[in-house]
Amino acid sequence: EILMTQSPATLPVSPGERATLSCSASQSVSSNLAWYQQNPGQAPRLLIYGVSTRATGIPDRFSGTGSGTEFTLTISSLQSEDFALYYCQQYSQWPLTFGGGTKVEIK
Amino acid sequence: QLQLQESGPGVVKPSETLTLTCTVSGGSISLEYWNWIRQSPGKGLEWIGYVYYSGSTNYNPSLKSRVTISRDRSKNQFSLRLTSVTAADTAVYYCARSIVSAPRLDHWGQGIVVTVSS
Repeated sequence: EILMTQSPATLPVSPGERATLSCSASQSVSSNLAWYQQNPGQAPRLLIYGVSTRATGIPDRFSGTGSGTEFTLTISSLQSEDFALYYCQQYSQWPLTFGGGTKVEIK
Repeated sequence: QLQLQESGPGVVKPSETLTLTCTVSGGSISLEYWNWIRQSPGKGLEWIGYVYYSGSTNYNPSLKSRVTISRDRSKNQFSLRLTSVTAADTAVYYCARSIVSAPRLDHWGQGIVVTVSS
């Protein structure tokens, strides 16, 4: 199975600043990469798929880049509701696998 | 708007069988993949498997020997059955839909907490 690794585990950021989250895959997943946001007590929510396509209703301060094995999620100007857990997930190969998550917290 | 809702027991005894049901509203379980995912502090998010509307299935090899996912088209539901549970199966269980052509998980249920305990 494809191993997904996220860094850092915790990212302290001040409101209004930029956050950059990384995700790497143990082998190429091409562009079959999604990002999810999870708030406490809630299910994950799809943010981005196909590396860079925002899901319905996702604001444009969220952007994704990368290809192959290295990917980045950028939140351009953090709002209060953006402090949450973020996961990457590959859907290039079964089984689907997720990264361990990055917690974006208030600095 | 598509909505998914998990239901089932919150506590299951060790060695017994866990059975959960996901009820889909606002859309049909025809087409697409219907998945189960779980989340535990120790293992993060783990994809369990899916059932396709035709009834075909695909499971995570790590759980394949203990898992059955099935669907009931007449009730617009799909179900998870996990046998011989242990404390390691304690988790929040989610049902979710994924697109066949590119299986990102675009609609999720709210999740159900399942504890394995005697």
